[in-house]
Amino acid sequence: EAQVTQNPRYLITVTGKKLTVTCSQNMNHEYMSWYRQDPGLGLRQIYYSMNVEVTDKGDVPEGYKVSRKEKRNFPLILESPSPNQTSLYFCASSPQNSGANVLTFGAGSRLTVL
Amino acid sequence: QKEVEQDPGPLSVPEGAIVSLNCTYSNSAFQYFMWYRQYSRKGPELLMYTYSSGNKEDGRFTAQVDKSSKYISLFIRDSQPSDSATYLCAITGGYQKVTFGIGTKLQVIP
Repeated sequence: EAQVTQNPRYLITVTGKKLTVTCSQNMNHEYMSWYRQDPGLGLRQIYYSMNVEVTDKGDVPEGYKVSRKEKRNFPLILESPSPNQTSLYFCASSPQNSGANVLTFGAGSRLTVL
Repeated sequence: QKEVEQDPGPLSVPEGAIVSLNCTYSNSAFQYFMWYRQYSRKGPELLMYTYSSGNKEDGRFTAQVDKSSKYISLFIRDSQPSDSATYLCAITGGYQKVTFGIGTKLQVIP
């Protein structure tokens, strides 16, 4: 089944404790992206990647890091999480062979930072 | 001014009603217009997308784009309780950044 897989789905952590949210897609998509979704603010892009070793900032990159060493994986790293990073995170990918950039989303990772 | 404006609702309708969901946008360079549906505790999934102005129909769903007014709509005919979800409009100039509306929460009451 074609899908984007995120882990963990739920995580409670404390301020300053580094964490990584993994994202993997099995569709051979070139484009991958991370979003956070917050009440009243909607989906906001954190980082995106057009291809392996190519990443760029989205609208809200502060406090996050990403890497794209393999085509299928695009982990999101929070080096020193803070409570304002409590959110619902989505990874998404697209084949980038269509101008519409139609995204396939993962199921989401709900992160709580205490 | 936000690039994409969408009324968050909630919108509550009886089963069988016609639902109209709308977004406005500010950047005339946008070319692709999409609607995603998001069920509770799930990721958004694409419903349909259109290129430039006009209508596109898929079963009970019709997407409409009016580029002159910078206005996009999604119509749901014969709405069902299973249509209860949050509907997000999404707009892009192509390939890279996709800008989402805040989402409209819809409840269809049996």
